[in-house]
Amino acid sequence: QQQVKQSPQSLIVQKGGISIINCAYENTAFDYFPWYQQFPGKGPALLIAIRPDVSEKKEGRFTISFNKSAKQFSLHIMDSQPGDSATYFCAGLADTGRRALTFGSGTRLQVQP
Amino acid sequence: SQTIHQWPATLVQPVGSPLSLECTVEGTSNPNLYWYRQAAGRGLQLLFYSVGIGQISSEVPQNLSASRPQDRQFILSSKKLLLSDSGFYLCAWSVRARATPQHFGDGTRLSIL
Repeated sequence: QQQVKQSPQSLIVQKGGISIINCAYENTAFDYFPWYQQFPGKGPALLIAIRPDVSEKKEGRFTISFNKSAKQFSLHIMDSQPGDSATYFCAGLADTGRRALTFGSGTRLQVQP
Repeated sequence: SQTIHQWPATLVQPVGSPLSLECTVEGTSNPNLYWYRQAAGRGLQLLFYSVGIGQISSEVPQNLSASRPQDRQFILSSKKLLLSDSGFYLCAWSVRARATPQHFGDGTRLSIL
C-alpha cells in the first residue's frame, strides 16, 4: 500500500534531449507528489511537486504529468543539460497517518555533452 | 530562511562502538523531523520521525534510536554499531501542514569497520 515504483533505474540522454522518469503509486491516500534531485554526497533537494487535483505542472524545463486514474506520474526534463546529471527520486505523501514521504527507488540520470 | 544542519559530514566507527548524529533546524518552530538512511545506490528508508519534543515514531526495528530533546534538535544514536549500520544518514524537516515538502540536510556518511 505504501510502495512507490520508479523507472527506469538509470537513464542516459544526449544534451538537448528529453529525460522522462516514471512513477506509479498504490496508496490512494497520497495527496502530494514531490520530485527530488540528489547530487553525489548531498542530500536530496526538492525540484518540483504536484497535487492530484491538477494533471500537469511546469517549472522552467521541468514538468510533472499526473494521471490520477492510473495512479501514475512522471517527470519530464526538457532540453536536458550535463548539469542535470544526478539521481532523481519521486515520492508520495499521505494526508493521514504516517506523515512522511514514501520514496521511489531513484533514477540515475546521465546527460552526455 | 530555514536551514538544517547535520554533523559530522563523515564518520568512521568500529563495530560495537556507540553513535550520536545530530541535526538542528533554524528559522522555523514546531517542525516535523525525520531521519532517513540511504544505502549506496538505493532509495531512502525512513528510520524515525517526530512531531514534537519527546515524540518519536520508529519505522523499522533496528539497532538505532532517536531522541528529540529540543524543538529543533533531532539526534540519532546507537549503543553498539553493527556493520549493517553503514550508510548515508539524512535528516529532514517539514512544516506541520498538509501537502508540504520535506527539506533535507547534506547527510552524514557513516562507515563501520
